Amino acid sequence: QVQLQQWGAGLLKASETLSLTCAVYGGSFSDFFWSWVRQSPGKGLEWIGEINHGGSTNYNPSLKSRVTMSVDTSKDQFSLRLSSVTAADTAFYYCARGRIVATTQNYFDYWGQGTQVTVSS
Amino acid sequence: SYELTQPPSVSVSPGQTARITCSGDALPKKNVYWYQQRPGQAPVLVIYKDSERPSGMPERFSGSRSGTTVTLTISGVQAEDEADYYCQSAVSSGNYVVFGGGTQLTVL
Repeated sequence: QVQLQQWGAGLLKASETLSLTCAVYGGSFSDFFWSWVRQSPGKGLEWIGEINHGGSTNYNPSLKSRVTMSVDTSKDQFSLRLSSVTAADTAFYYCARGRIVATTQNYFDYWGQGTQVTVSS
Repeated sequence: SYELTQPPSVSVSPGQTARITCSGDALPKKNVYWYQQRPGQAPVLVIYKDSERPSGMPERFSGSRSGTTVTLTISGVQAEDEADYYCQSAVSSGNYVVFGGGTQLTVL
C-alpha cells in the first residue's frame, strides 16, 4: 500500500518562502512523477507542479517563477519551495502520486494528508 | 490558459441519479479524471481515463463522454456521496494539469 506523509511550516509571513516535504512509503518511487496540489479556502484544486526521481520538473505557468521542486531519492522524498509568498498563497497543500514516467496519462491516485499553510501580512 | 467548466452545484434525492458535467474545448482529445472530496479530507480518485473505476470504487460511479463534454454519473445516490467533485485533465503531453472548478453534490 502506498502512503504519502507530508510536513512543513504552517505559518509564514508575507515575502517568506514556503517549504514542504513529502515522504513516499510503499510502491516504486522511481516509476512515477510526484506532484503538489493546493486548495485555497473555499476554492477548488490547483496543480502546482511535478517532479520525477531524476529531478525532471514541470510547473504550472502561473506559479513557475516562484516554484522550485526537488527530490531526495535516498529517502524517497520530494519537496516544494514557493518563494515570496503572499496572502493569496494561503491554502491547503497536498502532495500526490501522479503519472507513470514516460506516459501522458496524468492523474493522482494517492494523496498526502495535506498541510494548511497560512500567510500573514 | 486551458479551462474545464463544471456546474457549481447539483442536488439529488437519495436513490436517484446524479450527473455532473465537465466541458472544455480540448476534451475530445484528452482523457478526463474525476475526484471526490469530502469536507476536511484529501481528494479521492473515483474515475480515470474517462470511464475506468479504480479498484474498490463502487459500481454506481461511472463516466462517459460526448464531444466536448464528459459526465460523471452516480447511480442510486447515497448520503455518503455528498461531497465536492472535480474533473481533471492534462495537456501538453501530460506536462500540465488542469482541474475543473468543482461541483458540490447535495443529497437532499
